Amino acid sequence: GAVVSQHPSWVICKSGTSVKIECRSLDFQATTMFWYRQFPKQSLMLMATSNEGSKATYEQGVEKDKFLINHASLTLSTLTVTSAHPEDSSFYICSALLRAGANYEQYFGPGTRLTVT
Amino acid sequence: GQQLNQSPQSMFIQEGEDVSMNCTSSSIFNTWLWYKQDPGEGPVLLIALYKAGELTSNGRLTAQFGITRKDSFLNISASIPSDVGIYFCAGQEAYAGGTSYGKLTFGQGTILTVHP
Repeated sequence: GAVVSQHPSWVICKSGTSVKIECRSLDFQATTMFWYRQFPKQSLMLMATSNEGSKATYEQGVEKDKFLINHASLTLSTLTVTSAHPEDSSFYICSALLRAGANYEQYFGPGTRLTVT
Repeated sequence: GQQLNQSPQSMFIQEGEDVSMNCTSSSIFNTWLWYKQDPGEGPVLLIALYKAGELTSNGRLTAQFGITRKDSFLNISASIPSDVGIYFCAGQEAYAGGTSYGKLTFGQGTILTVHP
């Protein structure tokens, strides 16, 4: 159980185009999902918290108009990188929050490698 | 923001050796989690710790939640080649409803290399 998928696993796009990444919780419902960005050999950097049915909460320094998040259902959150530029190239990882009794655990997707040319 | 100090940054060990890594924080967390990440993949949850002083095992892995709630360690016994990867500790804020709960603060990671 607690499987999270991401699609696509990798994408190459041209500068100026937009790219949508999907994050799905396959065997549980998640009212909260998170989007992270990771550069090579670095830790994960939280970009935003995605809440089902409400607006996402963005971390300081993350442009909400550039990284559009939509949490349309209890099993799907999407991240759209708008007007992508080469500096947006990175590894994007989502996670979903699972309630385990009185506790909460985050389970991560396999990541999406974005390359902007 | 909150910072987690994870050490060591990297380890090179021989197969069969035991490994220990730890994380310390300047602030208190209600939950500590340990993840392993393989290249090009997302982190995989290894162990979750919910109570101060808690000691939990998962196979060859053992982790403890420090009694001050500001630290945690992970031990791997009898390492094998597939233990290679990056290990991250993460502290989780208390669930308090609203729109900013369950957030994780990650350590810098420990890169583990196991020589056969």
